[in-house]
This record gives sequence, C-alpha cells and structure tokens, in this order.
Amino acid sequence: EVQLLEAGGGLVQPGGSLRLSCAASGFSFGTYGMSWVRQAPGKGLEWVAGIRGSDYGGTTYYADSVKGRFTISGDGFKNMLFLQMNSLRAEDTAKYYCAKDLVPRIGRGFDYWGQGTLVTVSS
Amino acid sequence: EFVLTQSPDTLSVSPGERATLSCRASQSITNALAWYQQKPGQAPRLLIYDASTRATGISARFSGSGSGTDFSLVISSLESEDSAVYYCQQRHDWPINFGGGTKVDI
Repeated sequence: EVQLLEAGGGLVQPGGSLRLSCAASGFSFGTYGMSWVRQAPGKGLEWVAGIRGSDYGGTTYYADSVKGRFTISGDGFKNMLFLQMNSLRAEDTAKYYCAKDLVPRIGRGFDYWGQGTLVTVSS
Repeated sequence: EFVLTQSPDTLSVSPGERATLSCRASQSITNALAWYQQKPGQAPRLLIYDASTRATGISARFSGSGSGTDFSLVISSLESEDSAVYYCQQRHDWPINFGGGTKVDI
C-alpha cells in the first residue's frame, strides 16, 4: 500500500526557514516523479515544486512564486522527499501536500497524496 | 503561463442527475489534462488523466473528454458522495498549474 506522510510544518516568522519532509512507502521511490502541492486556507490547489524520479535523472522544477526560495530534493535510500523553504512570506501560508506521480515525469497525474502539513508564516 | 479557467464556479444538482464541468485552457495543451476531486478536509483524489483515462478504482460514472483548449468532466447519475470541489490540472508546459475549481453541491 502506497503511503505518504508529511512532517515539518509549523509557525514561522516572515523571512524564516522551514524544512518539510515526506516519508514514502509502498512503491519504488526512484521510479516516480514526486511533487509538493499547496493549498492556502479556503483556496485552490497550487503546484509548488516537482522532482523527476531519480532513476530518470532527478531533474527539479519550480513554480515561479517559489523559484530561488524553495528547494525540492529526494533521498532514494531513505525514501524521503524534502522541501527546503527559505525567505518565507505570509503568502506561503498553506497546507503542503506531498504527491506521487503516475510516471517518472511530473504532472501526468498525482495518484497518491499525503494528508498534508500546515505551514503558517506570521509574526 | 497557461491559464486554466473552470466553469461554473458552483453547480447545484439533484441526485441522479448528470453534471458537466468545464475546463478551458488559454492555449492548446493537447490532451495533457488531469481532473481531481477534493472533499472537505481531505487530500485531492485523481479521477482522470490524459484528458479521458480514468484512474485506477474510479467509478465509470466519471468520464473526461476534450483536447486542445476545451475539456469536460461528466459525472453521470450523481450521488450525495460526489459533493466536492473538482479541479483540472495541466502538464503541457511549465509550470504545472491547476484551475480554480468547480464546487458541486448535491
């Protein structure tokens, strides 16, 4: 059974940093693309960052809104996905979901999602 | 950046009826479109990918169609459990993005 379990959310001041993690199990981690998708309170879904399966190069991609501030990475040995978030802004406040793709590429379809971890950026 | 416009914003329907949700892309995205269902307090669930392929375990009451710029998600014979917000998502070009969602009230 595929499981994705996020951790690392919390309250952080503007300009601060936070590192999210996602523990993956039940599938071959390096074979599939993985992404972070966020949802601000009461709002829609926003794709944040993605990484191709490490077996296929591990190329990373970012939304314009986080480029240069966020870094996505994966650890194939530990089956973990990470999102390092720096220079956080109030508009980054959201629930952050870890999502697995159908294929090694990104975005064909996110077929498994974690339950999300809440990040609040506020002074 | 591709813009995905979903309509209507809200759709109120009765059980047993058919619902048609629309997703329009600002430029052609061929068939690179997925649909998701999100119920309150839950993570999204993949319904359709490649515009018309149902994901594993998804009821045949859900069907997707379209290509280029105009896409539809049809839910036939609506059930109370179909109350949710539905999102489309494109992967044709970077960045990946979602539409604003359509809320379906049963």
